[in-house]
Amino acid sequence: AQTVTQSQPEMSVQEAETVTLSCTYDTSESDYYLFWYKQPPSRQMILVIRQEAYKQQNATENRFSVNFQKAAKSFSLKISDSQLGDAAMYFCAYRSAGNFNKFYFGSGTKLNVKP
Amino acid sequence: DAGVTQSPTHLIKTRGQQVTLRCSPISGHKSVSWYQQVLGQGPQFIFQYYEKEERGRGNFPDRFSARQFPNYSSELNVNALLLGDSALYLCASSLQGNTIYFGEGSWLTVV
Repeated sequence: AQTVTQSQPEMSVQEAETVTLSCTYDTSESDYYLFWYKQPPSRQMILVIRQEAYKQQNATENRFSVNFQKAAKSFSLKISDSQLGDAAMYFCAYRSAGNFNKFYFGSGTKLNVKP
Repeated sequence: DAGVTQSPTHLIKTRGQQVTLRCSPISGHKSVSWYQQVLGQGPQFIFQYYEKEERGRGNFPDRFSARQFPNYSSELNVNALLLGDSALYLCASSLQGNTIYFGEGSWLTVV
């Protein structure tokens, strides 16, 4: 079975600074997708960024980018120019290519942004 | 377009009771999945439905059941509630092969 591990329960960053959240996963599959979701206090899960395993290029969405290391099974999220609104729980998630609705989530990292 | 909608948003039940949670997917989405998120943890997969058929089940007891209707909405039923069933229940919908989109969840408290 696939597992997703987030080893940082909580992180803090100063407003306007850069922070990196870590995620590792375990799988025997070669084709899959990786995601970062943000969950603010309202509890709704919001997609931040998505990476297809077959793509070598790291995904980027505005201030958010990933460092995808397939051989190391590592998928970190970098948030640049952190804003107060970035404060939330961040979950790393894995999905098999052939099972489009079954996601495996990590335990989450709580990100605090200090003004 | 409306997002994934869930009802009720909050509810309190007594141990041993039964609960039904409802979900309406984004218009055009034929796939619905359910997740349980216990406080302080990531969501855990419960069920996946596509075109009204169960396509996947997570490691949950038979007290948990679900179904999908012809309009692609879905219900999650939990029987014989236990204190440990207290959690946020998330519904998600998607077009095949794409990202899933979550609703705001139903908070279930079992007392």
